[in-house]
Amino acid sequence: EIVLTQSPGTLSLSPGERATLSCRASQSVRSTYLVWYQQKPGQAPRLLIYGASSRATGIPDRFSGSGSGTDFTLTISRLEPEDSAVYYCQQYGGHRSSSLTFGGGTKVVIK
Amino acid sequence: QVQLQQSGPGLVKPSETLSLTCTVSGGSIRSYYWNWFRQPPGKGLEWIGYIHYNGNTDYNPSLKSRVTTSVDTSKNQFSLKLSAVTAADTAVYYCAKWEGSIEAPDIWGQGTVVTVSS
Repeated sequence: EIVLTQSPGTLSLSPGERATLSCRASQSVRSTYLVWYQQKPGQAPRLLIYGASSRATGIPDRFSGSGSGTDFTLTISRLEPEDSAVYYCQQYGGHRSSSLTFGGGTKVVIK
Repeated sequence: QVQLQQSGPGLVKPSETLSLTCTVSGGSIRSYYWNWFRQPPGKGLEWIGYIHYNGNTDYNPSLKSRVTTSVDTSKNQFSLKLSAVTAADTAVYYCAKWEGSIEAPDIWGQGTVVTVSS
């Protein structure tokens, strides 16, 4: 099983600041199958980034993803109050791989 | 735009079977793979498995022995059954549509809180 480790656990920043969230995999992940979600309390996850770096429909351009292999990053360039949430990375091993795992999440708190 | 509406009981007794249904609107159930996820209280997300209307399935190895999924094309619904539940299966359960063009679950149901308790 591919283990995804997200850091930091919590990030406390002010509006307008830049947030950098890390997702490290225990073995190489195809970029095609690396995804980022945003989840607010009481809500379902919202797809932000797919294919490691492509923004999902309707996602503001202040969200960007990068990385390859075992190291991936989600960057929020200019934090806004509504960005307060937990962010998860997720990998998929491909059809019939029986392998889809999530990182433990990074909580972003806007001061 | 595809929308997903979940239904099913919020309380299940230990050792019994959890059953949830997800109704698809705004699109055909034949067009996508359909996934189930869950999230225990205060914890992270866990993938349960997926099903395609043609019968193709794949499941999380840790749950595979207890999971059954099905598709009813006449009702545009897909379902999850998880047998022999324990308190550890208490979670919010989500259904989700897998978008093949981007290889990711892009549309999620509203979530169903399921508590396992006698």
